[in-house]
Amino acid sequence: AQSVAQPEDQVNVAEGNPLTVKCTYSVSGNPYLFWYVQYPNRGLQFLLKYITGDNLVKGSYGFEAEFNKSQTSFHLKKPSALVSDSALYFCAVRDMIQAAGNKLTFGGGTRVLVKP
Amino acid sequence: KAGVTQTPRYLIKTRGQQVTLSCSPISGHRSVSWYQQTPGQGLQFLFEYFSETQRNKGNFPGRFSGRQFSNSRSEMNVSTLELGDSALYLCASSLVRQGLSNTGELFFGEGSRLTVL
Repeated sequence: AQSVAQPEDQVNVAEGNPLTVKCTYSVSGNPYLFWYVQYPNRGLQFLLKYITGDNLVKGSYGFEAEFNKSQTSFHLKKPSALVSDSALYFCAVRDMIQAAGNKLTFGGGTRVLVKP
Repeated sequence: KAGVTQTPRYLIKTRGQQVTLSCSPISGHRSVSWYQQTPGQGLQFLFEYFSETQRNKGNFPGRFSGRQFSNSRSEMNVSTLELGDSALYLCASSLVRQGLSNTGELFFGEGSRLTVL
């Protein structure tokens, strides 16, 4: 069975400072990894994904994530956080096996608070 | 291109009633998935439909059911509502190419917030 862990419930960072949101995963085969963001009373918005290739993936709004197979991690990063980045962030994994269809397993979410 | 549309956005029901939620996917997307989001359990997969067939199912009781129509629109139904069914129900659509590994991301709607009293 696949699982995702986001060890921090909340991350506080000052505006302009680097932001990191941690994610580790467990899956039987090779993973497809995703990051989503959720603003209050809204659905989830896709940020970026890792399928194969370069371990550093660039996504929307200046976010990037680094895939580390040996540490089974996929941490989300942003070099300079904005107050508008304050939101709930979810890491998710899908097994590469086609039969997994579109079932994503999500982490518990990390609330990011960027202070001016 | 219009996004994923979910209706209704908010609804209040009482225990024992049933509810039907609707989801219209992005045009051309044939896969529709449903997720339940609660503060305690987080985001949990309910089921996925592709070409009118249920392709995957999560660990929810039989009170939770769904279907997909020929135009890819989907509905989910919850019967005999319980207090614990109060949640944000999210629908997501995806472009899936038959026979190929599914690398695509999901596009989520705004959700239907259900309150059971």
